[in-house]
Amino acid sequence: NAGVMQNPRHLVRRRGQEARLRCSPMKGHSHVYWYRQLPEEGLKFMVYLQKENIIDESGMPKERFSAEFPKEGPSILRIQQVVRGDSAAYFCASSPVVGGETQYFGPGTRLLVL
Amino acid sequence: GQNIDQPTEMTATEGAIVQINCTYQTSGFNGLFWYQQHAGEAPTFLSYNVLDGLEEKGRFSSFLSRSKGYSYLLLKELQMKDSASYLCAVTFNDYKLSFGAGTTVTVRA
Repeated sequence: NAGVMQNPRHLVRRRGQEARLRCSPMKGHSHVYWYRQLPEEGLKFMVYLQKENIIDESGMPKERFSAEFPKEGPSILRIQQVVRGDSAAYFCASSPVVGGETQYFGPGTRLLVL
Repeated sequence: GQNIDQPTEMTATEGAIVQINCTYQTSGFNGLFWYQQHAGEAPTFLSYNVLDGLEEKGRFSSFLSRSKGYSYLLLKELQMKDSASYLCAVTFNDYKLSFGAGTTVTVRA
């Protein structure tokens, strides 16, 4: 049973470009969460999605960031017009149900903005 | 509120025991998780506590006191491979994990 998969593992972008990060949850999991880990800081919640629905995006910056989890295919975290401050590790987690259930994390995408 | 606090670093010798404490604000508390994260890798689930008391899993144990807003992760018979960051994470009223900054444990021979 494959775990949570994320790609790419490393992504380098220049300021102003777009970054697309992909996450495939564990088989049987329909809940996806995105977290960001800045250097020397703890993970911070960004957004929670179910298939075709954004349930909670309270941790996501209002501008330039968007997320989706289509009926088919992986969840996508999209960052437009990246800035140096977006450099971080972005982790996706999934769970089979919501509320108290363990979230299992993917290996992360390390974004570096030059 | 969250304010999840844990020590930044701890060092111990191979074969020893280390206890990593975590405190949090009790308002809205749901449950507490411990994750292990090796450098450059994904956090991996270690334990989940929702009721008071000690949960033991092999060399790792986790304790929770809901009234005191306190948990600890106990690592016994330390091995070199246990050198990692240990993350305390709490859910408050919902599903979002609120993480502490992590405790880096270094195991020395």
